[in-house]
Amino acid sequence: QVQLQESGPGLVKPSETLSLTCVVSGYSINSGYYWGWIRQPPGKGLEWIGNIYYIGNTYYNPSLKSRVTISVDTSKNQFSLKLNSMTAADTALYYCARGLGQGGFDYWGQGTLVTVST
Amino acid sequence: SYELTQPPSVSVSPGQTASITCSGDKLGDKYASWYQQKPGQSPLLVIYQDRKRPSGIPERFSGSNSGNTATLTISGTQAMDEADYYCQAWDSSTASVFGTGTKVTVL
Repeated sequence: QVQLQESGPGLVKPSETLSLTCVVSGYSINSGYYWGWIRQPPGKGLEWIGNIYYIGNTYYNPSLKSRVTISVDTSKNQFSLKLNSMTAADTALYYCARGLGQGGFDYWGQGTLVTVST
Repeated sequence: SYELTQPPSVSVSPGQTASITCSGDKLGDKYASWYQQKPGQSPLLVIYQDRKRPSGIPERFSGSNSGNTATLTISGTQAMDEADYYCQAWDSSTASVFGTGTKVTVL
């Protein structure tokens, strides 16, 4: 059973950098697939942040590309998200998920709420 | 930037068919996926690559994609199908984008 678990700070100050980690269990990241980050502001829709392929190729949402870095650590079977210059507009539930080769995220974490506030 | 538009809401009677559309420029040239999201839960993939159902998804969920529109059809809708539904498109140039979301109400 593939499981994903996000971890990171629940509160970030404006202008700071958000760092989140997604630990994968039940599947080896080295075996393939894409690994992605998606967020959902409270009461709003889903927004794709970016994906990383298991060998390290990255794909980012053009609207966030200048602020986003996604990396993978196959030795720990986890991947990470860094989003800099955080503002209140970045307050959201952040999900990590496993991506199929041509669209579709088939396994999702439970999500972690990140609030941007002083 | 690429955009996908869905109707904000769809109402359906139990046992009837619900159709949810997702519109985007030349969407038929891309792969479409659909997600169901119930309150307080993570999204659940119900259709991928236009019309494929993941293991465990009931046959009453089906998908199509042609021209500028992808459609999710729920046949014999049940009360448990009441949820928000999101489409998603993927291709090698735009990578990934989600639709605006549709709230399905089973009356």
